[in-house]
Amino acid sequence: DGGITQSPKYLFRKEGQNVTLSCEQNLNHDAMYWYRQDPGQGLRLIYYSQIVNDFQKGDIAEGYSVSREKKESFPLTVTSAQKNPTAFYLCASSILQDEKLFFGSGTQLSVL
Amino acid sequence: GESVGLHLPTLSVQEGDNSIINCAYSNSASDYFIWYKQESGKGPQFIIDIRSNMDKRQGQRVTVLLNKTVKHLSLQIAATQPGDSAVYFCAENQDNQGGKLIFGQGTELSVKP
Repeated sequence: DGGITQSPKYLFRKEGQNVTLSCEQNLNHDAMYWYRQDPGQGLRLIYYSQIVNDFQKGDIAEGYSVSREKKESFPLTVTSAQKNPTAFYLCASSILQDEKLFFGSGTQLSVL
Repeated sequence: GESVGLHLPTLSVQEGDNSIINCAYSNSASDYFIWYKQESGKGPQFIIDIRSNMDKRQGQRVTVLLNKTVKHLSLQIAATQPGDSAVYFCAENQDNQGGKLIFGQGTELSVKP
């Protein structure tokens, strides 16, 4: 897992509820990413950030929001607008403009 | 849809044998490829990477081969061990922007003792 910490490991969401997944890194990386992983599928990019206070949508940003107030932190909020939130969520970081990603251990989100 | 795909979703090998995991990509402009290993319930771990100006790169017990003519990537694991059992993903970087990797669906490698 390197220096990337995701919490919690398991999270349950009630219908209509927003939930926030935490991601913290101590690698001094500028870039951070959120990926969604569904069973039997590859990772899909939700949001990414290359600098504090700036972030861009990935391929499946609808129903999600992020913030990047600190270099070390990139929390992901799964909003009630995300109708199919059950998935394994992975946070990653990298040196700016470097393709190699370092991943956290993931958060499994399930719907009650 | 995704441009990176795997030929075999599952692969079962005997301990001590060599494993070969294959990956096809569709974008001839991709200039960087990477392999990750993911154990159950964990995040992906970097194995090895290769740039498009190379055909082969070796690591410890692993080799990545890149065939740009047929847009094919493979990961070879020598003397496969039970600890190698995991899902292996290939990914490509299509747009020269760091970190925006496109991932394949993964191949599950099972090592029989």
